[in-house]
Amino acid sequence: QVQLQESGPGLVKPSQTLSLTCTVSGGSISSGSYYWSWIRQPAGKGLEWIGRIYTSGSTNYNPSLKSRVTISVDTSKNQFSLKLSSVTAADTAVYYCAREAPYCTNGVCYPYFDYWGQGTLVTVSS
Amino acid sequence: QSVLTQPPSASGTPGQRVTISCSGSSSNIGSNTVNWYQQLPGTAPKLLIYSNNQRPSGVPDRFSGSKSGTSASLAISGLQSEDEADYYCAAWDDSLNVPVFGGGTKLTVL
Repeated sequence: QVQLQESGPGLVKPSQTLSLTCTVSGGSISSGSYYWSWIRQPAGKGLEWIGRIYTSGSTNYNPSLKSRVTISVDTSKNQFSLKLSSVTAADTAVYYCAREAPYCTNGVCYPYFDYWGQGTLVTVSS
Repeated sequence: QSVLTQPPSASGTPGQRVTISCSGSSSNIGSNTVNWYQQLPGTAPKLLIYSNNQRPSGVPDRFSGSKSGTSASLAISGLQSEDEADYYCAAWDDSLNVPVFGGGTKLTVL
């Protein structure tokens, strides 16, 4: 059973960089055709996809956050990480890491998030 | 403002059947499959339905999904008190090149 666990500071000052790490257990982050994603949820609001990384290092980011986001992977530690720069109060949210699996049919693959971390609350405040 | 549109709330009594709708466009639901996630209070989202109507192992067959054109639906039959949660639809958007979510529907079991 794959498990994901987020870790990192729960409080970040405005204009600083938010840094989180997701540790994957129960399987190798390098095995299979999976992307590894970050998703966030402000209190009382919906889900917003931040970006993803493949174990090759290939990344995709949400255009609305692209200028501030960096996602990296450390396969030796079975971890992937998120950095979000120049944060403001609007970045306060629960941050989730998730595994993105493909459902492939007729040569086309459609992604879905099959495993999620428990989430970690990050508050941006001075 | 979410890209996919869901009703903010739904309700039903134990044993009833309820449906939750999800409306999108040709760039998302119209050309890609729909996934549904259940978020119990204070917990992370959990995959409920993938590829329009596929249930992961362990999800009861009381939950079913369907898609037609640019809309999708989640149906829950034999409603139980433990089904009280927020439900989110999601799909890849070919124009935005990101996965998009609905705003969520809060299901109350009366």
